[in-house]
Amino acid sequence: GAGVSQSPSNKVTEKGKDVELRCDPISGHTALYWYRQSLGQGLEFLIYFQGNSAPDKSGLPSDRFSAERTGGSVSTLTIQRTQQEDSAVYLCASSPLESYGYTFGSGTRLTVV
Amino acid sequence: AQSVAQPEDQVNVAEGNPLTVKCTYSVSGNPYLFWYVQYPNRGLQFLLKYITGDNLVKGSYGFEAEFNKSQTSFHLKKPSALVSDSALYFCAVGFQKLVFGTGTRLLVSP
Repeated sequence: GAGVSQSPSNKVTEKGKDVELRCDPISGHTALYWYRQSLGQGLEFLIYFQGNSAPDKSGLPSDRFSAERTGGSVSTLTIQRTQQEDSAVYLCASSPLESYGYTFGSGTRLTVV
Repeated sequence: AQSVAQPEDQVNVAEGNPLTVKCTYSVSGNPYLFWYVQYPNRGLQFLLKYITGDNLVKGSYGFEAEFNKSQTSFHLKKPSALVSDSALYFCAVGFQKLVFGTGTRLLVSP
């Protein structure tokens, strides 16, 4: 596609429920990143996929968070047993191999009530 | 470890005046530096990057940034601000995985 697509754009969920956030990167981009942006804070790195290499999961805040990338394209970020502190905007970005700088999607605003 | 500091939470400037949004960094080796802008309810948009070469980097929308190795700074500048430049600006450092600053809100008044 022309840009990075994220869905849903908004998600309201009850505390304790599981949620799945989807990211569809730009076609041909080998790298895919997930960041979290909380109110009044900067971007917090979550996870990074690069081609067929093992993902860099060093930013995932707890074992309730997981992500996968199928076929080197679409990625899903899953948050299990959501907590109120998970409320944030989840941003996905992609980049081509050996290119510096990302293209971001518009994000998914997650609200846990 | 890499880190970025944006010392100002908000910068206020009148339309037509020059603007500067500050960024300092800490990184071992040669830094790859970036500026992104976020408009309300939108994702981040790439403005410019420094990889190597000329210390003055020109980017989108008339913005430029000056890489200063001795001061470990990468300040964003524009000679004449527009009201439409009002947004949240992020500085970032990294190679593949970027570390972002906390952002600076730029408010340009008419």
